[in-house]
This record gives sequence, structure tokens and C-alpha cells, in this order.
Amino acid sequence: AQTVTQSQPEMSVQEAETVTLSCTYDTSESDYYLFWYKQPPSRQMILVIRQEAYKQQNATENRFSVNFQKAAKSFSLKISDSQLGDAAMYFCAYRIRDDKIIFGKGTRLHILP
Amino acid sequence: ETGVTQSPTHLIKTRGQQVTLRCSSQSGHNTVSWYQQALGQGPQFIFQYYREEENGRGNFPPRFSGLQFPNYSSELNVNALELDDSALYLCASSKTRIDEQFFGPGTRLTVL
Repeated sequence: AQTVTQSQPEMSVQEAETVTLSCTYDTSESDYYLFWYKQPPSRQMILVIRQEAYKQQNATENRFSVNFQKAAKSFSLKISDSQLGDAAMYFCAYRIRDDKIIFGKGTRLHILP
Repeated sequence: ETGVTQSPTHLIKTRGQQVTLRCSSQSGHNTVSWYQQALGQGPQFIFQYYREEENGRGNFPPRFSGLQFPNYSSELNVNALELDDSALYLCASSKTRIDEQFFGPGTRLTVL
């Protein structure tokens, strides 16, 4: 069964500091996509970053980067220079081609001023 | 370019009633997926519609049904509402089945 596990229900980080959110997943597939989504209090799910499993290079988007370890089935998100606007629920997610997206339970990130 | 929109924003129903939620997909998108997000949980896939046909279904009973219209907007219908149906219902549209999914703001359904 395909599952996504986020072991940190909540995390806090000081503004301007760096924080890493953890995610592990379970799959027998070799070709898939991994995502990190942000859901602020407005509820709109926003794609933060995306990684194709066949790409060895870790994806980066400005202050957001991932550490993708395919053999370990690990996909962590690093947020650098944390800003107050980064406060939200973060969901790790997995998808095979045109199949459904499977989400983890989320990590609530607090930014301390 | 207008993003994904959903209506209504909030809805309160009583147990046993029926509800219809609506989603307008982003321009140029032919695929709509529906998710249920219970409080404190990640979204769970309900089903997907591609060019007006159901294209995959999650572990939800038949009282959850849907439609996609020729303009690719979509409806989610839930019959015989139960208390556990209380959740945020998210709609996401994409250009095709394999492209990035763009989410709407959701409809908060409360069943009393």
C-alpha cells in the first residue's frame, strides 16, 4: 500500500532561521512524483515544490529545497530564512502518473518573531 | 486567468440530507479531482473526472457521486449525510490527468 508519513505534527522556528520538515513514503513503484503543499489558514492548498522520482537532483524553489533520498524513501523539505508568511500546515504528498495524490497528515509550522 | 473556484464556501446540513458542492475548473483544464479533508487530517481522494467520465475513485461509498459538465466544471453530490461527512471538500483541476493539480479554496461542510 502506498502511504505517506509525516512524523512531526508541529514544529516551530525562529524567523530568519532554517527548518526541515520530514516525510517518508512507502511504494513499490519506481516512477512517481513527490510534492510538498502548503495550506495556510485560508485553506487554499498551494504547491510549494515538486520532485520527479527519476531525477537525482534535488528540487529547489527560492527558499525551499528538498532532500530526496530514493533508496530510503525519504523526502524532507528545508525552508531557509523563514518568514512569518511561511506559517501554515505543510503536507507531503505522493502521486503515480495520473493516479490520485496521497497526502500525509501534515505538519503545522509556527514561525516565531 | 481565473483560478479554481468552489461554491458554497460554507454549508450546514443535518444528518440524512443530501448536498451538492460545485467546482469551476481553471480555464483550459479538463480534469477535476475531489478530496475530503477531515479536521486535522490530510486530504483523501474521493474521485477524479476526466472529459466528463469518472477516472478513478478512492475508498468512498456510492452515496458520494459526481458529475463533470461539458465546460469541465464539476459537482460532488453526497446523499444520506452522516456526521462523519463533516469536512473540508477540496476540488483540484489540471490540464490533463498527469499535470499539476491546482486546488480551490474548498467548501466547509458541517453535518449536525
